[in-house]
Amino acid sequence: DIQMTQSPSSVSASVGDRVEITCRASQTVGSRLAWYQQKPGTPPKLLIYLSSTLQSGVPTRFSGSGSGTEFTLTISGLQLEDFATYYCQQGNTFPKTFGPGTKVDLK
Amino acid sequence: QVQLQESGPALVKPSETLSLSCTVSDDSIDSASYYWTWIRQHPGKGLEWLGYIYHTGSTYYNPSLRGRATILFDRSKKEFSLKLTSVTAADTAVYYCAREIVVDVLYYFDSWSQGTLVTVSS
Repeated sequence: DIQMTQSPSSVSASVGDRVEITCRASQTVGSRLAWYQQKPGTPPKLLIYLSSTLQSGVPTRFSGSGSGTEFTLTISGLQLEDFATYYCQQGNTFPKTFGPGTKVDLK
Repeated sequence: QVQLQESGPALVKPSETLSLSCTVSDDSIDSASYYWTWIRQHPGKGLEWLGYIYHTGSTYYNPSLRGRATILFDRSKKEFSLKLTSVTAADTAVYYCAREIVVDVLYYFDSWSQGTLVTVSS
């Protein structure tokens, strides 16, 4: 299985801050990397696919980059509604695997 | 926008079979562009991919389930289902059904159900 790791595991930030979350894969996944946002009691919501393509309707303050084994999700100008847990997921190889999550909370 | 709605018992006894169904709101269940997938999330934990079924009926399961999972279609009801046998407390989780886009180089989950908590307990 491809193991996905994320750092940091949690981050405390303020409204307006820039937040970067790193996701690493134990072997290359090409660009088949997606990012999801999850709030308590709700399913994950797709933010970004193919490493850097923004899903329709997702604010442009979210951006993604990377390829191979290292990826980054950036939130430029954190808003109140962005406090949530973020997961990366590789879509390159079965079984599909997710990172352990990064919780973004209010400082 | 497709809607996915899962249904099934919230409580299952140890050693019994967990059975869940997922109803798809449109005809995309017959499309070659999607895998129909089950994913679970243990309480307060991360996400675990369980397996998928394709429009051809082909399936693939997470080896971690050790052969306990079966995913089937009921096309007349626009449903796919998950059966997980010999459950233990470790199978207590929120279960989601999801649609994975599988077109060209695109592989990601674009639609999710709301999730249902299944507790394994006597």
